Amino acid sequence: DAGITQSPRHKVTETGTPVTLRCHQTENHRYMYWYRQDPGHGLRLIHYSYGVKDTDKGEVSDGYSVSRSKTEDFLLTLESATSSQTSVYFCAISERMAGEDNEQFFGPGTRLTVL
Amino acid sequence: EDKVVQSPLSLVVHEGDTVTLNCSYEVTNFRSLLWYKQEKKAPTFLFMLTSSGIEKKSGRLSSILDKKELFSILNITATQTGDSAVYLCAVIHSDSWGKFQFGAGTQVVVTP
Repeated sequence: DAGITQSPRHKVTETGTPVTLRCHQTENHRYMYWYRQDPGHGLRLIHYSYGVKDTDKGEVSDGYSVSRSKTEDFLLTLESATSSQTSVYFCAISERMAGEDNEQFFGPGTRLTVL
Repeated sequence: EDKVVQSPLSLVVHEGDTVTLNCSYEVTNFRSLLWYKQEKKAPTFLFMLTSSGIEKKSGRLSSILDKKELFSILNITATQTGDSAVYLCAVIHSDSWGKFQFGAGTQVVVTP
């Protein structure tokens, strides 16, 4: 299995509080992603990173920010959590070698509940 | 707007049946299509398809891509209860590499 960990694995918080989720990889992959998964929606991309300090928005980026100061860590921050951000959050990594695409490997997920 | 649409959304089959899942896409700049299996945890990779008409196989699973009609199918033959899962397809965009767009998934339940 690819070396990807997420922390925390479960979190319950209250509306209006800031929350930071951490993704850590040991694979030295260039690309890192944050997704949320909700029933009926599959995986929706929040933000992704294509290198240290290089990030871009996905399809559901409102209310979320990210940072990547090191290759191995990708942080997702909810500045002021809302109940609509209750979800399961997955981090993923991928690499591209010699111009060839490669699949994404997923972390174990973080279940976030905002009350 | 780019779209990745999977059908059916869910199905129930008996062990031994064959299952065919569909993933259609409308993406401006297509590069590759991937299939994942998700049980009660993180998705795991099944196949990546880039070229049209070339079937990829792994045991009882196979998949093929049609870039003219913009769809892919995933077949599972001689289904087993362990095949019960959500099957996700995703498209990689060529204009912003690194961006994977997922469909909503197909829930497959295999009954004994």
